[in-house]
Amino acid sequence: SQTIHQWPATLVQPVGSPLSLECTVEGTSNPNLYWYRQAAGRGLQLLFYSVGIGQISSEVPQNLSASRPQDRQFILSSKKLLLSDSGFYLCAWTPPRDRPPDEQYFGPGTRLTVT
Amino acid sequence: RKEVEQDPGPFNVPEGATVAFNCTYSNSASQSFFWYRQDCRKEPKLLMSVYSSGNEDGRFTAQLNRASQYISLLIRDSKLSDSATYLCAVRNTGGFKTIFGAGTRLFVKA
Repeated sequence: SQTIHQWPATLVQPVGSPLSLECTVEGTSNPNLYWYRQAAGRGLQLLFYSVGIGQISSEVPQNLSASRPQDRQFILSSKKLLLSDSGFYLCAWTPPRDRPPDEQYFGPGTRLTVT
Repeated sequence: RKEVEQDPGPFNVPEGATVAFNCTYSNSASQSFFWYRQDCRKEPKLLMSVYSSGNEDGRFTAQLNRASQYISLLIRDSKLSDSATYLCAVRNTGGFKTIFGAGTRLFVKA
């Protein structure tokens, strides 16, 4: 069965500090991978998605970036955090397009507070 | 207009009640539909996919109305443990992105 991991679970960082959040998926190959952010009491905002190694699509211009160095690894980064970057960061995966069903599954999330 | 819209609620219902949520979507090319449940400070978890013929899983029934572009979720015999936020989600044909609604908050009270 497939499992998705995220770490750290909780993070408190000062404004202007760098960020690196990691997500890994087990039990599948060539998944589509996604980063979402959920601000307190708000909906899910898609930040990035990736259909393969090195392939990143950005949905929202911001001071965040994403990378996919390996098939089942997805990293979210920032060089300098802003207060507005606080939120609940969720990694998700779906099977590749030729392998239904196309249901999306989420990792446990990282709760980031920028102070 | 948002691509996926839900009534934010909250819905406050007594145990044993039947409650229904609707979710509308704007893109007629949407092909796949889902309901997720999200508990406070947790990740969303897939509750059920929504098929054209409708589907049922225990106390939960999902329906799709393509003509009116909405999906619904019916919860029968509500339990205290059903208290959560319910998110609907849609995906376009051949698309990579799943678009989520903002969620409907449900409180089930004893």
